[in-house]
Amino acid sequence: GQQLNQSPQSMFIQEGEDVSMNCTSSSIFNTWLWYKQEPGEGPVLLIALYKAGELTSNGRLTAQFGITRKDSFLNISASIPSDVGIYFCAGRPRGAGNNRKLIWGLGTSLAVNP
Amino acid sequence: NAGVTQTPKFQVLKTGQSMTLQCAQDMNHEYMSWYRQDPGMGLRLIHYSVGAGITDQGEVPNGYNVSRSTTEDFPLRLLSAAPSQTSVYFCASTRDLGWNTEAFFGQGTRLTVV
Repeated sequence: GQQLNQSPQSMFIQEGEDVSMNCTSSSIFNTWLWYKQEPGEGPVLLIALYKAGELTSNGRLTAQFGITRKDSFLNISASIPSDVGIYFCAGRPRGAGNNRKLIWGLGTSLAVNP
Repeated sequence: NAGVTQTPKFQVLKTGQSMTLQCAQDMNHEYMSWYRQDPGMGLRLIHYSVGAGITDQGEVPNGYNVSRSTTEDFPLRLLSAAPSQTSVYFCASTRDLGWNTEAFFGQGTRLTVV
């Protein structure tokens, strides 16, 4: 099935550093979603983006809907140990109509060294 | 507000056994879905439902059945468990904001088939 290209696959950083990850697609998307999954838990929605160019923050997290509508970025500022987890991007392609199926990236695994 | 509730949290089955994974949501969402998550493969859609009485296949439906008799419940049935079905299963319920969608996940069921 269709998948989003999410990078990097994994990151190991020092506490206090900033983090950037991104998701790209070959086709246009109408919605971009960013999720975080902690060990033993289900994915939790962090940020939802609905408009090209939109920049949305949630605390230390900031995500952007790319102008081309084919990519999205997630930044985490001043990382802390509890940021550890897997971050997933997901999106809904243009032309999906009533189809609510999401397309998923494979995730970015983040480890933070205190 | 419970959100999406999955039971059981853990399960071990013998090859050939059948079982039902339960999923319930209390958000009055029309759209529900089942995913499986395997290492390195992200989230793969098994089955989904756009409303009571309506279900459809996702990306990896073989070996699984679903039904949707009420808006709240969306059980997943394994007809004859196989070791390849060892995985973590997530149920999701989707908030539909017109053409925008946001999926909310349960905590997962960790299934081992021996």
